[in-house]
Amino acid sequence: AQSVTQLDSQVPVFEEAPVELRCNYSSSVSVYLFWYVQYPNQGLQLLLKYLSGSTLVESINGFEAEFNKSQTSFHLRKPSVHISDTAEYFCAVSRRSGAGSYQLTFGKGTKLSVIP
Amino acid sequence: DVKVTQSSRYLVKRTGEKVFLECVQDMDHENMFWYRQDPGLGLRLIYFSYDVKMKEKGDIPEGYSVSREKKERFSLILESASTNQTSMYLCASSFPFGGQPQHFGDGTRLSIL
Repeated sequence: AQSVTQLDSQVPVFEEAPVELRCNYSSSVSVYLFWYVQYPNQGLQLLLKYLSGSTLVESINGFEAEFNKSQTSFHLRKPSVHISDTAEYFCAVSRRSGAGSYQLTFGKGTKLSVIP
Repeated sequence: DVKVTQSSRYLVKRTGEKVFLECVQDMDHENMFWYRQDPGLGLRLIYFSYDVKMKEKGDIPEGYSVSREKKERFSLILESASTNQTSMYLCASSFPFGGQPQHFGDGTRLSIL
């Protein structure tokens, strides 16, 4: 069974400092990996995804994540955070269901708090 | 843009009531999902549907059922609400292929008194 571990439940960081949110997954097959962001009182929004090809993927708002197959990791990074990045971040891995369709398994989330 | 709409943002019900949560998507997605989100536990899948009238249990289906009579609509039913079902409920939809992202509604915060 696939699982996702987000190693930090809360990460406080000062504004304009770099941040890394860690994610490890377990899977014996090829994977599709995702990062989602949830702002207060909202649903989840897709931040970025890894399907294949280049192991470094980027989002439009400056986040990037690197797929590392040997370490089974998909850490999320940003070189300089902004107050507006305060949110909860979820890592997810795609898994195939018994019906042959695809589902996502989510980590428990990391709350990023950006301190002015 | 994909739009996933949940019928209520906040809902308060009493124990023992039958509760319906509704979700509608406008992108002709085959897959639809219901999750509950609790602090420290992340998102847990309750049920998902891969086609009209087709469903599959997720990780925590006990106490819940679902209905999908039309492709765009997926309903979550609490047969007899209990206080431990107080939670945030999130609906999502996607195409069925590997690598397709799920698109989420804004959630329904349900309180059972």
